[in-house]
Amino acid sequence: QKEVEQDPGPLSVPEGAIVSLNCTYSNSAFQYFMWYRQYSRKGPELLMYTYSSGNKEDGRFTAQVDKSSKYISLFIRDSQPSDSATYLCAMGSGGYNKLIFGAGTRLAVHP
Amino acid sequence: NAGVTQTPKFQVLKTGQSMTLQCAQDMNHEYMSWYRQDPGMGLRLIHYSVGAGITDQGEVPNGYNVSRSTTEDFPLRLLSAAPSQTSVYFCASSYSAGSGTLGNIQYFGAGTRLSVL
Repeated sequence: QKEVEQDPGPLSVPEGAIVSLNCTYSNSAFQYFMWYRQYSRKGPELLMYTYSSGNKEDGRFTAQVDKSSKYISLFIRDSQPSDSATYLCAMGSGGYNKLIFGAGTRLAVHP
Repeated sequence: NAGVTQTPKFQVLKTGQSMTLQCAQDMNHEYMSWYRQDPGMGLRLIHYSVGAGITDQGEVPNGYNVSRSTTEDFPLRLLSAAPSQTSVYFCASSYSAGSGTLGNIQYFGAGTRLSVL
């Protein structure tokens, strides 16, 4: 079993839809939870960062962490074609930040 | 503001050849890492460094060497390329910060696409 599980998709939604992306994990020591966005043929870039449990909102994006269920989510409201990318969850337990990444979910938002 | 710069962007090698992937960062970050990205596998850590002169192995280190003589540079060497090393390679850097802060975030380069024939 992988330490971090993420459905690879692909996920195809119409413009304006609410998108939900999820990851589950097995290591209860994880404290840092991140979502990276990766456009085709580019490097990943940080989208959201959460420390410990709770919600964090940034514009159309909301990240949720439920440590009791070992489950994290990223919600995208009013999705746009420019949101079409691969979304990778990542998590770590501190110290040298040896992050563990999910496999990534490919999202396509069509007009 | 260049951030993390990787060269080359593309490379084709024959089995058995050696080469070095270059990575440089201008953010004065202490930590640097090398990942490979394969379909369905996500990003897997190859080697990392917590400072000049200090390196350690990640999840998939076999067939790769690293060194860190300066804060800015962290080259990855393929000793004898194999088809299984066909992948996209990403270098990342990050800074050390206290718990709960925005430290521990990795900043990635644009990647090197490597094909080994």
